[in-house]
Amino acid sequence: DSGVTQTPKHLITATGQRVTLRCSPRSGDLSVYWYQQSLDQGLQFLIQYYNGEERAKGNILERFSAQQFPDLHSELNLSSLELGDSALYFCASSVRALETQYFGPGTRLLVL
Amino acid sequence: GIQVEQSPPDLILQEGANSTLRCNFSDSVNNLQWFHQNPWGQLINLFYIPSGTKQNGRLSATTVATERYSLLYISSSQTTDSGVYFCAVGSQGNLIFGKGTKLSVKP
Repeated sequence: DSGVTQTPKHLITATGQRVTLRCSPRSGDLSVYWYQQSLDQGLQFLIQYYNGEERAKGNILERFSAQQFPDLHSELNLSSLELGDSALYFCASSVRALETQYFGPGTRLLVL
Repeated sequence: GIQVEQSPPDLILQEGANSTLRCNFSDSVNNLQWFHQNPWGQLINLFYIPSGTKQNGRLSATTVATERYSLLYISSSQTTDSGVYFCAVGSQGNLIFGKGTKLSVKP
C-alpha cells in the first residue's frame, strides 16, 4: 500500500458526460501528479500541483482540468468525454518534485 | 522533448535466472525512477536514482547520467517479478515514461 488513495476504482460512463476523479496523497506529501495510461499512448503525465498551486502541465486536454485543495487532496475533472478517454488514471504524490513518486491504485475509466 | 527508450521490450525468464533491463534517454535529467507495474495494474516505485548505484534485495540499479542510460538488474528472479518495468525521467517532477519492458518469469 503506497499510502495514496484514489476513488472511485472503476467508473463506467457515456460519451459526452463529465466525471470527477479524486486523489488523497500520502500524509506529508505536498506534490500531486496525475497520469493517464492507455494502450496506444502509454503512461503520460497530465498535470502537477504543489501545495495548492499548479506547477507543470503535460499532455492534458482542454476538456480536462484539475485542482488541489487546501487539505492537499486533488481532483481531476474530465468533461465532454469521448471513447478515447477510456484509460487508467493514476495519481501520484511526493514530498517535493525531485523525490520518489508514490502511485495510487488508479481509477479505471470506461467511456461507452 | 526527452525521449526514453527501454530494452528489451519483452523478456521471458526461467525462475532463478538473472536479467538486465536498460533505459536510454536523450537529454540531461535530474530525475530518474524505475517502477514495476504488477499484473493487477499497480505501479510500485523501485528506485529513485538520477545517478549512481542503489541496491534493494535482489534488485539493483545503476544510472550513468553523463552517458544517459540506466540499468536495472534483477537477480534470482521469481514469478512475482513478472509484470512491466518502466523507466521514467524528467528535469523536474513531471516524469516521462518509456514504453516498458514486459517480464514474464516461468516456474
